[in-house]
Amino acid sequence: NAGVTQTPKFQVLKTGQSMTLQCAQDMNHNSMYWYRQDPGMGLRLIYYSASEGTTDKGEVPNGYNVSRLNKREFSLRLESAAPSQTSVYFCASIPQGVRDYGYTFGSGTRLTVV
Amino acid sequence: GEDVEQSLFLSVREGDSSVINCTYTDSSSTYLYWYKQEPGAGLQLLTYIFSNMDMKQDQRLTVLLNKKDKHLSLRIADTQTGDSAIYFCAEDPEYSTLTFGKGTMLLVSP
Repeated sequence: NAGVTQTPKFQVLKTGQSMTLQCAQDMNHNSMYWYRQDPGMGLRLIYYSASEGTTDKGEVPNGYNVSRLNKREFSLRLESAAPSQTSVYFCASIPQGVRDYGYTFGSGTRLTVV
Repeated sequence: GEDVEQSLFLSVREGDSSVINCTYTDSSSTYLYWYKQEPGAGLQLLTYIFSNMDMKQDQRLTVLLNKKDKHLSLRIADTQTGDSAIYFCAEDPEYSTLTFGKGTMLLVSP
C-alpha cells in the first residue's frame, strides 16, 4: 500500500535507553518530517529533511537526532530517553514543489518513557 | 515562528452545521490545510485552500478565507456522528515549514 509506514507502532522505554523510530515512504517524495503530538499542544516539528542528504532542526529538536538514509527512509533517534519524550510521533512526507495534495502522514508511534 | 490559533472544542447535534475557526499569521503565499484525526489514528487531509482564494467547496465541506483578518473557517454541513474527531488547521508558508494549531475537538451528539 502506498503511503508512509512507521515502525514500531508502540514502544515502552526506560529512562536512559535509546531507540530509533523508523519511517519509510514509497511515493517518491523529496521532503520528510518528524512531528510529536502531545495533549493540548497540537503537532510540533522536531526535524525535517527537505531533500535527500539534508536535515534541519524544527521547533523542538533537543534530545533527538535524525538520519535521511536514502530518499525513502528518514529515521528519528532518541539517544537517552527521558519521560518528557513520552509522546506520539508522526512522520510525514510531501513532494518537492507540489503542495496541492498536502502532507501524507504515517499512523504514528506511541512512545512511553518510564 | 508562525502561530496558528484554533477554538479548542465544539459540540453540535447530528444534522446541524459545524463551523471550526482558525487564525494564521503568515501573509506570504501560503497553503492552509484542514486535517482530521480520529482517536488513535494518524492525520487525514480533508481539504486545503491557497492564500489567494476566498472560498473552496468540496461536498459537505466549505472553507472560507478572510485574508484581511487572516481568518480561516471550515464548515461541515449535515454533521454526522462519524465526523466526531479532532480537526487541525495547518499553515504552510512558501519559505517556512508546516505549523499546526492545537486542534479543535468536535463532538457530534445524536
